[in-house]
Amino acid sequence: NAGVTQTPKFQVLKTGQSMTLQCAQDMNHNSMYWYRQDPGMGLRLIYYSASEGTTDKGEVPNGYNVSRLNKREFSLRLESAAPSQTSVYFCASSGRDRSETQYFGPGTRLLVL
Amino acid sequence: AQSVTQPDIHITVSEGASLELRCNYSYGATPYLFWYVQSPGQGLQLLLKYFSGDTLVQGIKGFEAEFKRSQSSFNLRKPSVHWSDAAEYFCAVGGSQGNLIFGKGTKLSVKP
Repeated sequence: NAGVTQTPKFQVLKTGQSMTLQCAQDMNHNSMYWYRQDPGMGLRLIYYSASEGTTDKGEVPNGYNVSRLNKREFSLRLESAAPSQTSVYFCASSGRDRSETQYFGPGTRLLVL
Repeated sequence: AQSVTQPDIHITVSEGASLELRCNYSYGATPYLFWYVQSPGQGLQLLLKYFSGDTLVQGIKGFEAEFKRSQSSFNLRKPSVHWSDAAEYFCAVGGSQGNLIFGKGTKLSVKP
C-alpha cells in the first residue's frame, strides 16, 4: 500500500516549456487535490477533483490544467512554464466526507528558469 | 471568507520544554480543523483533527489540541518536546470544496 505517489521528484524547466506532474493513489479515494507550497505562503489549492470525471478550480488555477484520468490518477499540466511557477507541488487524496483525512504525496520540486 | 492564521512564523524551544503553537481560524459553520507536520523535504503528515465531540483532541507523537469556539482557536500542545519534533507545523480548516485551507505554518526549532 504505497498511499499517494508523485512523479517526478524534481524537475528543472526553461521558461515556455511544458510538463505534466503525475499523481496516483491506491486508497480508493474519491477526491484528489493539487496544492502548491511557496515559502511563507503555506499550501494553496490549484485544482481538485471530487470524483472521477470531474475537476474544479481552486485558489490559484491560472497557468495549470488537470486531468482525472481514472479514480486512481490525477495529473497536473503546465502548458507554458513561467518562473512564477517555481514551487513545490503536492498531490493529496481523501474520502468523500469533509471530515476525512487528506493524505499527501512526497511532493515534486519544480524549478523554472 | 475562510482563513487560518498562525501568528508565529518561527519558534525555538529547549528539548524537554513544553510547546504551544497557536492557530486561529475564520469559518462560518462548525469547522473541521487539522494539524499537519512537515519534516524538511517531506510531505505532510496528519497529527490530529477535530470535527465534533470532545474539544480536547489527542494525536500522534504525544500532541494534543484544544478547540475553543469562543476564541476561534485550535492551539497545538505538547508537554515535553523532543529533538525529533523539529519541523514545520501547519494548521488547516476544511473548506466547502472538501479542500484544506492552510495557515502559513510555524517552523519549530529545538535547542539541545
